[in-house]
Amino acid sequence: GQNIDQPTEMTATEGAIVQINCTYQTSGFNGLFWYQQHAGEAPTFLSYNVLDGLEEKGRFSSFLSRSKGYSYLLLKELQMKDSASYLCAVSDSNYQLIWGAGTKLIIKP
Amino acid sequence: DADVTQTPRNRITKTGKRIMLECSQTKGHDRMYWYRQDPGLGLRLIYYSFDVKDINKGEISDGYSVSRQAQAKFSLSLESAIPNQTALYFCATSENRDYNEQFFGPGTRLTVL
Repeated sequence: GQNIDQPTEMTATEGAIVQINCTYQTSGFNGLFWYQQHAGEAPTFLSYNVLDGLEEKGRFSSFLSRSKGYSYLLLKELQMKDSASYLCAVSDSNYQLIWGAGTKLIIKP
Repeated sequence: DADVTQTPRNRITKTGKRIMLECSQTKGHDRMYWYRQDPGLGLRLIYYSFDVKDINKGEISDGYSVSRQAQAKFSLSLESAIPNQTALYFCATSENRDYNEQFFGPGTRLTVL
């Protein structure tokens, strides 16, 4: 079967750095997406990795290791508005997105 | 701005009623999707369509049907709603196969009593 694992919930402090991990087992791999979702709102695109390595975009970075079936999203200089759920999704051999259940990130002042 | 819209945004209905959720997009994308989201379960695919003549079942299609009326419109129907269909429903679109970034509508919160 296909499986995406990410922690259910994480807590971090405003101004700090947090790393959200995602491990996957899918039938094929055609890229990995990270989305941000505020409570009751639509998911919005954050990043995409298809090759191994780090992609940096402002305060957010995403890393991929295809051999390990592993990715992480790194959020720096945390702000209260970063309190949200972060969804990991893998594009499988049929180019279908397989979604993780999401990690709820709580930011404390 | 090119966008994905959903109507209604909120709906409360009773068991056994027929419900239609509508999705429209101005992005010009061929691919459209319907998901439901339940707390702790993430997004689950109900149906997807790669063009007007192509409809496919997703992971959890039982109890649902869809209609792709045009490139821009994709409707989801619950023929006879039941309480465990209470969820947040999202429509999404994507442009092509190889890079499958999906763009989401604002969601419809459906409650079945």
